[in-house]
Amino acid sequence: KNEVEQSPQNLTAQEGEFITINCSYSVGISALHWLQQHPGGGIVSLFMLSSGKKKHGRLIATINIQEKHSSLHITASHPRDSAVYICAVGEGSQGNLIFGKGTKLSVKP
Amino acid sequence: EAGVTQFPSHSVIEKGQTVTLRCDPISGHDNLYWYRRVMGKEIKFLLHFVKESKQDESGMPNNRFLAERTGGTYSTLKVQPAELEDSGVYFCASSQAPIRAGSEAFFGQGTRLTVV
Repeated sequence: KNEVEQSPQNLTAQEGEFITINCSYSVGISALHWLQQHPGGGIVSLFMLSSGKKKHGRLIATINIQEKHSSLHITASHPRDSAVYICAVGEGSQGNLIFGKGTKLSVKP
Repeated sequence: EAGVTQFPSHSVIEKGQTVTLRCDPISGHDNLYWYRRVMGKEIKFLLHFVKESKQDESGMPNNRFLAERTGGTYSTLKVQPAELEDSGVYFCASSQAPIRAGSEAFFGQGTRLTVV
């Protein structure tokens, strides 16, 4: 069992829908990162958070430290949001990132 | 400001050959990380440099992999000799402070390595 679990693995949505991607982890962390990878592209950091909630445009990330769970929400989804979204945690003792397998999001027009 | 850049973007080599991947971190970032994603698996940590020193190389799969960061600027990752299972996407990331200290990591575009 991976130390970072994401759900769902694949997600197809219609343009305009509200999207939620979940991430659960089993290790102590210094911070949790949400990353985005477009097809054939590099990885872009969306959020880094260790508590509470952060918002950037149509993206919202929340984390519950007690429950070891984080969610990434996309409001008013758009086809350009289609990408793989990756949750990664900075593991407490070593500090290196431990990655989830990613959630492949496809938003249809 | 230039981001993290990696060269080449794609490399196809035959089994047994040598390949060298390069990563140029953001200027001023002392911390440099190498990661790898093999087909169908999650991204895995390979190693961490602080300036020119290897802080943690616990993720390096075997001694066919050699990473260097001479002068504490760019880093190279050499695979010699390459095997089929080395195929994957190799990512580099840099940060001002160590990621465990809560510093944001900036990733490169990755190098897609295909060993045939």
